[in-house]
Amino acid sequence: AQKITQTQPGMFVQEKEAVTLDCTYDTSDPSYGLFWYKQPSSGEMIFLIYQGSYDQQNATEGRYSLNFQKARKSANLVISASQLGDSAMYFCAMTPEFSSNTGKLIFGQGTTLQVKP
Amino acid sequence: DTAVSQTPKYLVTQMGNDKSIKCEQNLGHDTMYWYKQDSKKFLKIMFSYNNKELIINETVPNRFSPKSPDKAHLNLHINSLELGDSAVYFCASSTEPVGRRSYEQYFGPGTRLTVT
Repeated sequence: AQKITQTQPGMFVQEKEAVTLDCTYDTSDPSYGLFWYKQPSSGEMIFLIYQGSYDQQNATEGRYSLNFQKARKSANLVISASQLGDSAMYFCAMTPEFSSNTGKLIFGQGTTLQVKP
Repeated sequence: DTAVSQTPKYLVTQMGNDKSIKCEQNLGHDTMYWYKQDSKKFLKIMFSYNNKELIINETVPNRFSPKSPDKAHLNLHINSLELGDSAVYFCASSTEPVGRRSYEQYFGPGTRLTVT
């Protein structure tokens, strides 16, 4: 069975510093996709970044980068130059790419990030 | 232009009632989903539809019945509401995976259901 684990319930970071949010996953699928979503206090789910299991390079999207270590089954999110608006809950998620039930997202427990001024 | 919209945003109702949540996407996506976020913020998939056909039903009680009149709409009807149904329900949509790439799901704003 597939599983996503986020071991940090809460994190603090000083404004303008970088922060890493941890995510490990467990799957027996040969290929899969990994996602990070942001949920601010207003409640909406915002897509941040995607990493495919066959991608050779780590994904980057602006200030977000994904530190993908396939052998360790980890997909940590790195936010550079934190801003006050980054304060939110962050979810790591996974989907199998070739499953007949395509697209199902399996979420981790989430990490609450607070950016201090 | 709202990509994925849900109505209502808030829903307060009593136990035993029947209620519906509507979802519409204007992204031209083929696949739509319903997720439930519980009080501990844990998100879990409930249903998935592809081109109006049910493809995922994640052991959800049969009091929950999704209906997709066309590929742009996926509604969720809940019969005989129970206290434990209180949660935030998110609709989402995506395109189908192509090759070795999945595509991100776009979420609606969520519907906060409170059963009293």
